[in-house]
Amino acid sequence: AQSVTQLDSHVSVSEGTPVLLRCNYSSSYSPSLFWYVQHPNKGLQLLLKYTSAATLVKGINGFEAEFKKSETSFHLTKPSAHMSDAAEYFCVGAFSGGYNKLIFGAGTRLAVHP
Amino acid sequence: DVKVTQSSRYLVKRTGEKVFLECVQDMDHENMFWYRQDPGLGLRLIYFSYDVKMKEKGDIPEGYSVSREKKERFSLILESASTNQTSMYLCASSLPYEQYFGPGTRLTVT
Repeated sequence: AQSVTQLDSHVSVSEGTPVLLRCNYSSSYSPSLFWYVQHPNKGLQLLLKYTSAATLVKGINGFEAEFKKSETSFHLTKPSAHMSDAAEYFCVGAFSGGYNKLIFGAGTRLAVHP
Repeated sequence: DVKVTQSSRYLVKRTGEKVFLECVQDMDHENMFWYRQDPGLGLRLIYFSYDVKMKEKGDIPEGYSVSREKKERFSLILESASTNQTSMYLCASSLPYEQYFGPGTRLTVT
């Protein structure tokens, strides 16, 4: 069975320091992987996606993620956190070519302190 | 820009009431989805539709039904609302490999 696991439910960083949000997946099939962000009282917004092209994927707002097949990971990073990055982040997988069936991680809440 | 709208941001209903949640998208997408979002559980798929009048059950369809009479509109129906259906409900429509989400409806069943 396929699954997506976000390793941290909460991450807290200071403004200007790096952000690392960790995500692992489990699947026998090649995945497509996504990161979405949800700001309070808003819908989900796509940050970036991996669909078997370049393993280092750049997204919006300075975020990027690297697909590592050997580690079954797709961690999200940003070199320098901004206060506006405070939100909930979801790692999402699509497996077996069935993009209709997205599997969501439980989410990581990112807090950014001044 | 793709726009997905949901009819209500906040809704309060009583146990046993019939509840309709409406979702409209303006990009002519074939596929539309309903999820519920609960703390610690992420998003779970309730139903999806890949064409007008076509629907498939997701992971947690019990207690819900859906209707898609027009391509742009996908409705979620709670036939008899219960307190365990208190949740945030998110609608989405999609291109291949990308889903666009509405702002969500926070439903409280008392």
